[in-house]
Amino acid sequence: QSVLTQPPSMSGAPGQRVTISCTGSSSNIGAGYDVHWYQQLPGTAPKVLISGDNNRPSGVPDRFSGSKSGTSASLAITGLQAEDEADYYCQSYDSSLYAWVFGGGTKVTVL
Amino acid sequence: QVHLQESGPGLVKPSETLSLTCSFSGDSVYWNWIRQPAGKGLEWIGYVYYTGSTSYNPSLKSRVTISIDSSKKQISLKLTSVTAADTAMYYCATRIFGEYYFDTWGHGTLVTVSS
Repeated sequence: QSVLTQPPSMSGAPGQRVTISCTGSSSNIGAGYDVHWYQQLPGTAPKVLISGDNNRPSGVPDRFSGSKSGTSASLAITGLQAEDEADYYCQSYDSSLYAWVFGGGTKVTVL
Repeated sequence: QVHLQESGPGLVKPSETLSLTCSFSGDSVYWNWIRQPAGKGLEWIGYVYYTGSTSYNPSLKSRVTISIDSSKKQISLKLTSVTAADTAMYYCATRIFGEYYFDTWGHGTLVTVSS
C-alpha cells in the first residue's frame, strides 16, 4: 500500500492526451511538499521527468507537464507517442513518516 | 556529472545480512538507496549525507545501515535479518542539496533472498 495513490494503468492512442493522478494527504502533498515524477522504461532505472511540481530537466520534451492542487498532483502527457509507453511514478516527502514516499506507479500503454 | 554503479551478491539466504556497494564518480550531497520489488513500486530505504550522517525509512530503520567511504568513492548498504520480502532491485540514487527529488540513478542490482 503506497502512501501516494496512482491509477495502476492508463492508455491512449498516439496523439492523445493522458493525465495521471497522484493523491496524497495533509502530511505530504497537502503540506506543501513538492511532487516529482519519474519515468521508468522497461528494464531500466527510473529517470526524473518533472521536478518541483512542474519543472522539466534538460532533454525532457514539453509534452510532459505537472500540476498540483491541494492534496493531489497530476502528470499530463500531450501528443502521446509510442516511446512514452512506460511506468510513471510520483514522489514527495511525508512529514509524519519522516520519509521520501512514492506512488505505486501507473503503467501507460500506447494503443 | 555523477555516475553510479551498484554491486553485490545476487543471492542472500533468509536471516542473513544483505550487503551492497555503490561506486560513484562525481560529487553529490545526499547518497540514497531505493528498492523496487519485481512488478511493484519504489521504496526509499535511506540516505547518507556526504559528512556521514544518515536518515532511514522508519519502516526499515532497525535493520539498515548506510555509510560512505569518500576515499574509495563508495556507498554501502547493509540490511540485516532479511526475508523473502526484501527481494528487490536495489538502486543507488543521489539528491542535491535543497532539492527533494532523486536526480541521478544507478542501473540497479537485483537481490534475491532465498535458501
